[in-house]
Amino acid sequence: EDQVTQSPEALRLQEGESSSLNCSYTVSGLRGLFWYRQDPGKGPEFLFTLYSAGEEKEKERLKATLTKKESFLHITAPKPEDSATYLCAVHDVYNTDKLIFGTGTRLQVFP
Amino acid sequence: DAGVTQSPTHLIKTRGQQVTLRCSPKSGHDTVSWYQQALGQGPQFIFQYYEEEERQRGNFPDRFSGHQFPNYSSELNVNALLLGDSALYLCASSLPGTTYEQYFGPGTRLTVT
Repeated sequence: EDQVTQSPEALRLQEGESSSLNCSYTVSGLRGLFWYRQDPGKGPEFLFTLYSAGEEKEKERLKATLTKKESFLHITAPKPEDSATYLCAVHDVYNTDKLIFGTGTRLQVFP
Repeated sequence: DAGVTQSPTHLIKTRGQQVTLRCSPKSGHDTVSWYQQALGQGPQFIFQYYEEEERQRGNFPDRFSGHQFPNYSSELNVNALLLGDSALYLCASSLPGTTYEQYFGPGTRLTVT
């Protein structure tokens, strides 16, 4: 059964303190892995899509990487406005019509 | 370029009642998916509509039904509401013929009392 596990559940960082969020997954065949940012009470905001092991994508202070079993979201020198829940989702090639989400990592960045 | 829109923003219903939620996809998108997100959890797939037909369904009872209109907008209907149906209901749209990148709306917060 397809499964996505994110860690840690919550992360508190000082402004400027870089760190990484982890997303490990089990799927029959990975068609794509997606990262979303979600602010409280809002819908998820699309960040990145990764399709194959070794692929990397960057956007401002965020960098997403992918291996055959997990993905990392690296946050470099975070700012308070980066505080949000970061969700990881996978798209299984044999189950193509839905995204399977993890429970997210709740990030708080303090000034 | 308008993104995905949903209405209403918030809704309070009583157990046993019925509710209809609405979604307009992002311009140029023809595929609409619905998700349920309980507090502190990731979104759970309910079903997807493409060409006005339900293409796939998640593990949700028949009390959850939907519809897609010719203009690609969609409705989610929930009958015989239970307390456990309280959640954020999210609509996502995607590019023609694919589900590779789904763009989400702001959600409808449903509270069942």
